[in-house]
Amino acid sequence: SAVISQKPSRDICQRGTSLTIQCQVDSQVTMMFWYRQQPGQSLTLIATANQGSEATYESGFVIDKFPISRPNLTFSTLTVSNMSPEDSSIYLCSAERSDPGRTDTQYFGPGTRLTVL
Amino acid sequence: DAKTTQPNSMESNEEEPVHLPCNHSTISGTDYIHWYRQLPSQGPEYVIHGLTSNVNNRMASLAIAEDRKSSTLILHRATLRDAAVYYCIPILSGTYKYIFGTGTRLKVLA
Repeated sequence: SAVISQKPSRDICQRGTSLTIQCQVDSQVTMMFWYRQQPGQSLTLIATANQGSEATYESGFVIDKFPISRPNLTFSTLTVSNMSPEDSSIYLCSAERSDPGRTDTQYFGPGTRLTVL
Repeated sequence: DAKTTQPNSMESNEEEPVHLPCNHSTISGTDYIHWYRQLPSQGPEYVIHGLTSNVNNRMASLAIAEDRKSSTLILHRATLRDAAVYYCIPILSGTYKYIFGTGTRLKVLA
């Protein structure tokens, strides 16, 4: 398995500011992902982050709003830029590991709860 | 991407079996069926996955219909700790892309 931690666990921010969320994995992984979970909703994939290449964004998400870094095989950051109250959500990172006997299993961090005032 | 249909919510009594259904009628022949659950205030966690055959692990069993258009997650003895939202996710092998549906919120009654 893989253990994933996120910082901060929660934050309250003012509109117009930016917040960078950190995601740390306890082992090297190839694929990392960022999701958003709006209040009472399911998870929506924002982007896939591979080490050494630009992130791949899903429809409705753009790099200017959600820049992502992936400097090595255990770490990634997501920045929520120029925040508005509509960005209030839980942001989760995950990592993919192909453990023996499993296929494409993803391990999720605990999430970062963001409130924008 | 295959679409899924799950009941919005289900209830179970503690220590009784729970059968959580999922319809994935548009699944392709190479999509694996994964089940995850999300406990309150936590990220999703892996439960079980399968392709064509029924699967068992320490957490649950997965029964896959012969035509693969539906599957059922079976918790043999529900406990209060099993209260969570359960998601079934068809995943094309090698794509890594998870599409979460609305899931089923399981309530376990003491």
